[in-house]
Amino acid sequence: EPEVTQTPSHQVTQMGQEVILRCVPISNHLYFYWYRQILGQKVEFLVSFYNNEISEKSEIFDDQFSVERPDGSNFTLKIRSTKLEDSAMYFCASSVRTGGTGELFFGEGSRLTVL
Amino acid sequence: GQQLNQSPQSMFIQEGEDVSMNCTSSSIFNTWLWYKQDPGEGPVLLIALYKAGELTSNGRLTAQFGITRKDSFLNISASIPSDVGIYFCAGQLPGGGNKLTFGTGTQLKVEL
Repeated sequence: EPEVTQTPSHQVTQMGQEVILRCVPISNHLYFYWYRQILGQKVEFLVSFYNNEISEKSEIFDDQFSVERPDGSNFTLKIRSTKLEDSAMYFCASSVRTGGTGELFFGEGSRLTVL
Repeated sequence: GQQLNQSPQSMFIQEGEDVSMNCTSSSIFNTWLWYKQDPGEGPVLLIALYKAGELTSNGRLTAQFGITRKDSFLNISASIPSDVGIYFCAGQLPGGGNKLTFGTGTQLKVEL
């Protein structure tokens, strides 16, 4: 069964360092997303991406964050200068369609720990 | 932002019991989705609901899209130990495109 895959599963970094989280969405999906989940809290939307551009982003997704689809399969989230409060699980998701009728499928997540 | 409130926050039930949890909001949603999350893993889609009043089953799971479009419930029949986990509702707002708003979660624990 097709699935969303994410790497790394866990990354530890020093505050101020750049981090890149990678995702391979399901191959026939057109829409890509990043969500995050701070330990013990609910899942929060960060950004959605379609047709090589950001379609929507939340207030969490500030100038320190960027996304990219560098090739036909990968979708990355970059945090330019990490802060302690960026420590969380980051989930990539993909869906075939949008417009209120798209089912999102999530990867297993990348745990980011900022020291 | 929009708030989806789930209840109960957690529940501890006996194996074999039926479980019911719900999700409410002050806003109307176009789509309701129910996900299960195991510790350290990503949310796994259980059921998707697209129309007000819709009742959908997936094995022992049944979910309904409320008539007012502001709520949804999930039932699990004859619970088993592997049902343990956190259940999240998630909704898509009218005009909200593809963004999912997640609920606060219901943690289910099953006693053997």
